[in-house]
Amino acid sequence: EAGVTQFPSHSVIEKGQTVTLRCDPISGHDNLYWYRRVMGKEIKFLLHFVKESKQDESGMPNNRFLAERTGGTYSTLKVQPAELEDSGVYFCASAQQGLRGETQYFGPGTRLLVL
Amino acid sequence: GENVEQHPSTLSVQEGDSAVIKCTYSDSASNYFPWYKQELGKRPQLIIDIRSNVGEKKDQRIAVTLNKTAKHFSLHITETQPEDSAVYFCAATTPRSSNTGKLIFGQGTTLQVKP
Repeated sequence: EAGVTQFPSHSVIEKGQTVTLRCDPISGHDNLYWYRRVMGKEIKFLLHFVKESKQDESGMPNNRFLAERTGGTYSTLKVQPAELEDSGVYFCASAQQGLRGETQYFGPGTRLLVL
Repeated sequence: GENVEQHPSTLSVQEGDSAVIKCTYSDSASNYFPWYKQELGKRPQLIIDIRSNVGEKKDQRIAVTLNKTAKHFSLHITETQPEDSAVYFCAATTPRSSNTGKLIFGQGTTLQVKP
């Protein structure tokens, strides 16, 4: 079974530019989460999709971040315009509701550096 | 809001010794507690989890204990090996009515096992 994949693996952009991150969840997983880890700190929740609907976006930092999951398959996270503090590792995780709750499987992350 | 505190931030042990990492959580409704291991440059991987209806779970050299009254849970690794060296994250979640939920992570513990 293929795991969660993310693209790109690394991105270096200048302040003010736009970057779009992509996540492909495990096939059949309805739940998709975005998280971010800023250097040396904890992994922080950004938002949660159930299929194509945003279930919880309480962790989104501000309106420069836009997440979509059209069709309920892959998801994109766009940062526009990027700021220095947006640098970090962006993880995507997917899960399928099971009878005993869910296990979230993480992707390898996208390392974003804003200069 | 929900908060998870993790200690220690770094831990160095000799090969063969035991390692213990402790976490406390703030939301008494939390009922699922996974532990993730992240090796350098790789994705976080679930190593063990526990739900609030049990007090202890063991999988070979890894065990997790949960004290709901005190709102803390711990990871125990026995007979440590160099390949156990990684960053370990604890997390807690409070599933909503749909039985899914965002993960609230601790700050991470960097474990170094010296040969």
